[in-house]
Amino acid sequence: AQTVTQSQPEMSVQEAETVTLSCTYDTSESDYYLFWYKQPPSRQMILVIRQEAYKQQNATENRFSVNFQKAAKSFSLKISDSQLGDAAMYFCAYPNFGNEKLTFGTGTRLTIIP
Amino acid sequence: GAVVSQHPSWVICKSGTSVKIECRSLDFQATTMFWYRQFPKQSLMLMATSNEGSKATYEQGVEKDKFLINHASLTLSTLTVTSAHPEDSSFYICSARELQFQPQHFGDGTRLSIL
Repeated sequence: AQTVTQSQPEMSVQEAETVTLSCTYDTSESDYYLFWYKQPPSRQMILVIRQEAYKQQNATENRFSVNFQKAAKSFSLKISDSQLGDAAMYFCAYPNFGNEKLTFGTGTRLTIIP
Repeated sequence: GAVVSQHPSWVICKSGTSVKIECRSLDFQATTMFWYRQFPKQSLMLMATSNEGSKATYEQGVEKDKFLINHASLTLSTLTVTSAHPEDSSFYICSARELQFQPQHFGDGTRLSIL
């Protein structure tokens, strides 16, 4: 069974600084996707970034980028130039290849310090 | 694009009543929709997967007679909590995806409070 682990329940960062949220996962599959979702206080789940495992290049979306280490099964999220609006719970997620059910990590609560 | 609308956003009702929650994909056809439950300060727990025109697949431990799911069209799935009790109070979120291996897009969630 796939598992997703987020070892940092809480993180904080000064506004405009950079922060990295960690995620590790376990799978026996070779082709898969990984996602980071953000859940602000409004509780809506917002897709932040997506990585395909067959791509060696790390995904980037504006200030958000990932460090994908397939061999180590690590998928960290880097947020550059942190903004107050980045404050949220961040969930790493892995979709089962067959039925695409998402397995979520336990989440990291990110606080932005003004 | 990829907007999912969930309604209602908050419902309070008496114990024993049934509550229906709607999940609509507004600008795409959702072949598959998912229903999650989230307890305070916890991650999302998948309850069931529904494919248009077929019966939902429930996760282990989820009572299918308690949580009725209908996915009658490519843009609408409903979750009905039957004979709701206080322990059913929670935050329910739906998601939908258009094509296989595409990301799931989430609704805004429904806060259900049973008195």
